[in-house]
Amino acid sequence: KNEVEQSPQNLTAQEGEFITINCSYSVGISALHWLQQHPGGGIVSLFMLSSGKKKHGRLIATINIQEKHSSLHITASHPRDSAVYICAVRPYSGGGADGLTFGKGTHLIIQP
Amino acid sequence: NAGVMQNPRHLVRRRGQEARLRCSPMKGHSHVYWYRQLPEEGLKFMVYLQKENIIDESGMPKERFSAEFPKEGPSILRIQQVVRGDSAAYFCASSPVPGQGIDGNTIYFGEGSWLTVV
Repeated sequence: KNEVEQSPQNLTAQEGEFITINCSYSVGISALHWLQQHPGGGIVSLFMLSSGKKKHGRLIATINIQEKHSSLHITASHPRDSAVYICAVRPYSGGGADGLTFGKGTHLIIQP
Repeated sequence: NAGVMQNPRHLVRRRGQEARLRCSPMKGHSHVYWYRQLPEEGLKFMVYLQKENIIDESGMPKERFSAEFPKEGPSILRIQQVVRGDSAAYFCASSPVPGQGIDGNTIYFGEGSWLTVV
């Protein structure tokens, strides 16, 4: 079982719909990132969370530390939102890896 | 994000050749991370470096792969005697010196280097 699970794996929606992408993790973390990756492109960090909720434009990210769960919401979705959305956690290091552990990503397609 | 520079963006190598991927972190960042993204798979941590030090290489294959971050110049991920299975996108990320504050956890990614082994 992966330490970071995302759902759904694939999502196709119509322009204007409200989108929710979920991320569950099984380890203690110091931070959680939501990343966006366009086809053939680089990775952009959308949010970094350690508690509560953050909003940037039409994007909202929430995290529940007790339940080890985070959600990424997109309001009034647009075709340019089509991308892979990746959840990544930073586990407490404790002498181990200091990098991030990633989910496999959610492939989002917004149709006009 | 624009501050982390990776090159080359695309690299084609024949089996058995060497591949060198370079990463210049954002100005002022002294921590560099390398990740690999295999086709149809998620990103995987490979190695974490500070200037002249490898902090954690637990995600790096034991053979053929090496990484360095010299005092001067970019970080280099080197793959010797490449095989088809090395074909992937390799991403570099950098962060400021981690501290107690949330800002210490901010991480910035480069555009990636796509390696194709033929």
